[in-house]
Amino acid sequence: SQKIEQNSEALNIQEGKTATLTCNYTNYSPAYLQWYRQDPGRGPVFLLLIRENEKEKRKERLKVTFDTTLKQSLFHITASQPADSATYLCALINQAGTALIFGKGTTLSVSS
Amino acid sequence: IAGITQAPTSQILAAGRRMTLRCTQDMRHNAMYWYRQDLGLGLRLIHYSNTAGTTGKGEVPDGYSVSRANTDDFPLTLASAVPSQTSVYFCASSLEPTGELFFGEGSRLTVL
Repeated sequence: SQKIEQNSEALNIQEGKTATLTCNYTNYSPAYLQWYRQDPGRGPVFLLLIRENEKEKRKERLKVTFDTTLKQSLFHITASQPADSATYLCALINQAGTALIFGKGTTLSVSS
Repeated sequence: IAGITQAPTSQILAAGRRMTLRCTQDMRHNAMYWYRQDLGLGLRLIHYSNTAGTTGKGEVPDGYSVSRANTDDFPLTLASAVPSQTSVYFCASSLEPTGELFFGEGSRLTVL
């Protein structure tokens, strides 16, 4: 069955550094992948969508890559700030093509 | 109100009781979803509806039912609650199936 793995549950970095989060998937070839941010006690909020024919996508300090050969997406936050501290989730379409399924998330903590 | 509204925000329920979690969206989105979020397990899809009048089963549908009588509402019913259904439930919607998801703020349910 298809699996989505976000390789670390927690990532701690210092302010100003680049945070890199990883999303790996198996048994699947999605047409696109999405990234969400979730703050404690809140619902997830959409950040970026990257399609299989796009190698890289940027939005302000965010950058996402999508390597369909490695079956991996990398999510980068450059010049990180304490306000970037949150849980970040990656999501893919399920095999039936009917809904999104999510990885377990990586909790990022940025210290000043 | 713009977005998704979930009710109740929080509820404590005795095992065996029936409970309906309400979800309403005012964005005229075609697709709606119910997820549950548990520590260590992430977000898991319970049921979805790609258009009014249709529903489908997600990853963990047992013990839950949904209906989609109109575009705006997508209630989730627990016919006879059990303690393992203690969780935070998120409703979400998207303009098209598997598109960008908009989430509600969640309903925290405790079954004793």
